[in-house]
Formats: sequence, structure tokens, C-alpha cells
Amino acid sequence: SQTIHQWPATLVQPVGSPLSLECTVEGTSNPNLYWYRQAAGRGLQLLFYSVGIGQISSEVPQNLSASRPQDRQFILSSKKLLLSDSGFYLCAWSRLDGSGQPQHFGDGTRLSIL
Amino acid sequence: GENVEQHPSTLSVQEGDSAVIKCTYSDSASNYFPWYKQELGKRPQLIIDIRSNVGEKKDQRIAVTLNKTAKHFSLHITETQPEDSAVYFCAAGGGGLTFGKGTHLIIQP
Repeated sequence: SQTIHQWPATLVQPVGSPLSLECTVEGTSNPNLYWYRQAAGRGLQLLFYSVGIGQISSEVPQNLSASRPQDRQFILSSKKLLLSDSGFYLCAWSRLDGSGQPQHFGDGTRLSIL
Repeated sequence: GENVEQHPSTLSVQEGDSAVIKCTYSDSASNYFPWYKQELGKRPQLIIDIRSNVGEKKDQRIAVTLNKTAKHFSLHITETQPEDSAVYFCAAGGGGLTFGKGTHLIIQP
């Protein structure tokens, strides 16, 4: 069966510090991979998605970036965090299939910027 | 691109009563409509989904209906229980998914 791992679960960072969140998927190959951010009590904001190694599409202009160095690894980064970067970050995967597939979410990283 | 509207944003029902959450979508090419449940501090989890070639699907106390002509779909929860309290998200799409803004369902004892 497929599993998705996301770490760390919780992170407290000062303003201006760098960020690296990692997500890996097991049990499948060539998945679509997604990064979402969720502010407290709010909806899911799609940040990035990837259909393959090195292929990243950005949905929202910001100081965050994403990379996919391996087929089942997706990394969210920032060189300098802002207060507004606080939130709940969720990684998700889906099968690479044009007919519409569910997305399966990781347990998330709660990021607090001080 | 796709646009998904979800209503209401908050829904409070008495335990044992039914709850209905409604979503509309804009892209007639969308053919897949999942619903997710997110408990406080947890990840969204898929609870039921429907494809455009089906009008209704049921799984125990939850059901989803789809009206392709009107471009709307709904989640129905019957005999609500305290553990149904959560935020529910609808989504629509073909390749990728577009999510609604969520409905906070509160089950009153």
C-alpha cells in the first residue's frame, strides 16, 4: 500500500531564517506531488505541484520554492521566512492519471514564525 | 480554470439530525468530485467520491449526489454523531483538483 511521510511535524522558526520541509511517498511510482498551505481555520491553498522529477509548477508567487530531486521526494524551501509564512503545510500525492484521482495527504507540518 | 464554491461555511445540527453541504463548480470538463473530512489539527482524509457518470453514491451514513447539468454536488450525512464534527472540503477536477473553502460542521449534543 502507499504511504506518505512528512517531516517535521512541528517547527518554530525566527523571521528571516531558512526553511526546508520534506515529503516522501512510498509504494507508488511517478506520482503527482503537491504542497498546500492552510492558515488557521481556513481552506487549502495550493502552493506547488509536480508531475515529474524537476518539473515544478507554482500557483502562488511568494518567497517559497519547491524541488523534486527524486521521483518520490518533494521539498518545500525558503531562503528567508516571513511572519506570513506561518501555517499548516500539507504534502499530498495522487496517481498520474488524467481521469481524475483523489489526493492523499500527509500528516502536515505546523510552522510557527516568531 | 475551475472554481468551486462551498456552502455553508459553518453548519450546526442536533445530534441525530441530517447535515447537507453543497458545492458548485464552473468547469464542465470536471469529472471527479471527492469529499474530505479534516479533524482539528489532522490531515484531510477522503471520505467519499463520485465520478461524473454516476448521479449518487452512498456509504453507510454518508452519501453524495451530483447534478452535472446544474454543476452542483452535495454531501449528505444522516443520523449525525459527535465524531462527525469536523471541517469538510469538497473538490472538483479532471487532472488536478480545486478545493472548496470548507464547511465547519458542529454536532450539538
